[in-house]
Amino acid sequence: GAGVSQSPSNKVTEKGKDVELRCDPISGHTALYWYRQSLGQGLEFLIYFQGNSAPDKSGLPSDRFSAERTGGSVSTLTIQRTQQEDSAVYLCASSLAPMSSYEQYFGPGTRLTVT
Amino acid sequence: AQSVTQPDIHITVSEGASLELRCNYSYGATPYLFWYVQSPGQGLQLLLKYFSGDTLVQGIKGFEAEFKRSQSSFNLRKPSVHWSDAAEYFCAVALNSGYSTLTFGKGTMLLVSP
Repeated sequence: GAGVSQSPSNKVTEKGKDVELRCDPISGHTALYWYRQSLGQGLEFLIYFQGNSAPDKSGLPSDRFSAERTGGSVSTLTIQRTQQEDSAVYLCASSLAPMSSYEQYFGPGTRLTVT
Repeated sequence: AQSVTQPDIHITVSEGASLELRCNYSYGATPYLFWYVQSPGQGLQLLLKYFSGDTLVQGIKGFEAEFKRSQSSFNLRKPSVHWSDAAEYFCAVALNSGYSTLTFGKGTMLLVSP
């Protein structure tokens, strides 16, 4: 079946612009995660959605970052007033259930470059 | 807070040689442990995981890992490396109960020489 998809695969934007990154999880997966992968920093958790529950936003680095998940499926990560330090690969993952024993399946990521 | 250390940023191994990638974690109790692989331009793929039981776990692509509680380690091994194994490898941990996100190490880049 189809895996996790993300769009765009690459995004170049000017400093100060807003960007939206999209994630389509695997059908039927109730949990959705966003991570950021920066050079030298590894992967950092950003935000987590589970069904209709309030998202866990504890990993968002600033209030310029926000995310929503519509209809329990597609998710959009929005970065406002982008800064050069936002340049990274943004990875989305989904899992069948939110328990840590369930495998997270990752998308290919969106590479964001802020110039 | 839990943390994961992968002490080797880069490792170069000759094709056909054995491989061991190191991973140490810091956590109050035994967490769930994972190894992921990321090939260039690809997302992360789960190689193997440890929840409980037998401390030697087998994964895909001929990889295995051994959990050592006394050393807080979960090292990844492969007896004979293939050129296609060149990739970045990430060790990760999660709480062993309930909901938890993954905490990743910073990764080890594996280079395979002919």
